[in-house]
Amino acid sequence: GAGVSQSPRYKVAKRGQDVALRCDPISGHVSLFWYQQALGQGPEFLTYFQNEAQLDKSGLPSDRFFAERPEGSVSTLKIQRTQQEDSAVYLCASSLSNAGGLYEQYFGPGTRLTVT
Amino acid sequence: AQSVTQLDSQVPVFEEAPVELRCNYSSSVSVYLFWYVQYPNQGLQLLLKYLSGSTLVKSINGFEAEFNKSQTSFHLRKPSVHISDTAEYFCAVSVRNTGGFKTIFGAGTRLFVKA
Repeated sequence: GAGVSQSPRYKVAKRGQDVALRCDPISGHVSLFWYQQALGQGPEFLTYFQNEAQLDKSGLPSDRFFAERPEGSVSTLKIQRTQQEDSAVYLCASSLSNAGGLYEQYFGPGTRLTVT
Repeated sequence: AQSVTQLDSQVPVFEEAPVELRCNYSSSVSVYLFWYVQYPNQGLQLLLKYLSGSTLVKSINGFEAEFNKSQTSFHLRKPSVHISDTAEYFCAVSVRNTGGFKTIFGAGTRLFVKA
């Protein structure tokens, strides 16, 4: 497909489990972003990649959160030892520009994570 | 620190009526402003943006927003809404940050258009 895809679309994890969320950006897009969207809130920035380089990870809430984009395309957001407060929709977005969030971001459908 | 405030969480309006969705931001540096829309069961998509130049920007489906630097606002307006405009609207600002530009979103305004 031509858009950003994310998998899985839904994930239920028991508290303490590790999860991995995948993002396939639009082919050729340089910039990739991860956001966390809690119920009733707007997306909150987690981290930003320019190609394979993680240039900003200031939004990651704790050291349990880790993101990678080893070949500059597909990205994985990993959450270790999940907690109930991690329950949210995780959004991935990509952009053609290498200017980070200055230009249009194309969003995926999100992964809804529920921690029980 | 930068922040975005959307003053209304929900806005119900009748079809063909005008609507204004309010957005205020705080920032000590230059900002670039966006409105994103999320239709039911779809991902966020860009509606319009202000980067520079004319302070009035328009979308292809009749929405417009005006950047007001003195009031730090970027309100979204449409003179006559349709049922199909029912969606959640997010105001966002991008500010220069380490490695590029960081985008900060408001909490969203749910626009509900009634027949």
